[in-house]
Amino acid sequence: AQSVTQLGSHVSVSEGALVLLRCNYSSSVPPYLFWYVQYPNQGLQLLLKYTTGATLVKGINGFEAEFKKSETSFHLTKPSAHMSDAAEYFCAVSVSGANNLFFGTGTRLTVIP
Amino acid sequence: KAGVTQTPRYLIKTRGQQVTLSCSPISGHRSVSWYQQTPGQGLQFLFEYFSETQRNKGNFPGRFSGRQFSNSRSEMNVSTLELGDSALYLCASSPDSLNTEAFFGQGTRLTVV
Repeated sequence: AQSVTQLGSHVSVSEGALVLLRCNYSSSVPPYLFWYVQYPNQGLQLLLKYTTGATLVKGINGFEAEFKKSETSFHLTKPSAHMSDAAEYFCAVSVSGANNLFFGTGTRLTVIP
Repeated sequence: KAGVTQTPRYLIKTRGQQVTLSCSPISGHRSVSWYQQTPGQGLQFLFEYFSETQRNKGNFPGRFSGRQFSNSRSEMNVSTLELGDSALYLCASSPDSLNTEAFFGQGTRLTVV
């Protein structure tokens, strides 16, 4: 069975500050891990993904995430928040590819000017 | 290349009615997945179709069904609508069934009154 826990349903950061969104997963087999972003009344946009190989994954818009198997974590970071980063972020896990995703409950990021 | 297109974008239906939502995947993509997004339950996987066959199914009642046509376009149907079916329904497409990236449409917002 798979599960995803996103700690913090709401996170606020100041513009220019570090963004850290937490994601822990549970999976009985090596998982695929994803971060998606959703803007109001929009679909989901893939930020980055981990499948195999390098554990530090770089994505779009300056985001990156590190797969830590020992901690079963896949936290999302960005060194400097921008106003345009305000959105909802979803961590997702799958054991069979991107066609069958199990999502966390999401973290709404607010960026304070 | 055009993205994933979902129609209609907004829909209002009455309890007890049925509804059909449509999804046109990115050209060349053969896998289509459907998700339901609600404030209470978050993002939940409904089902996945690949080459006109349902390959995976989430934990939803039989009132929720889908199909995929030979051109990879997909429809999902909800019969005997309930108030709790009000949600954003998202469609995602991938080139094949074990792909590691899914592209989402903007969704269909269904309101049941």
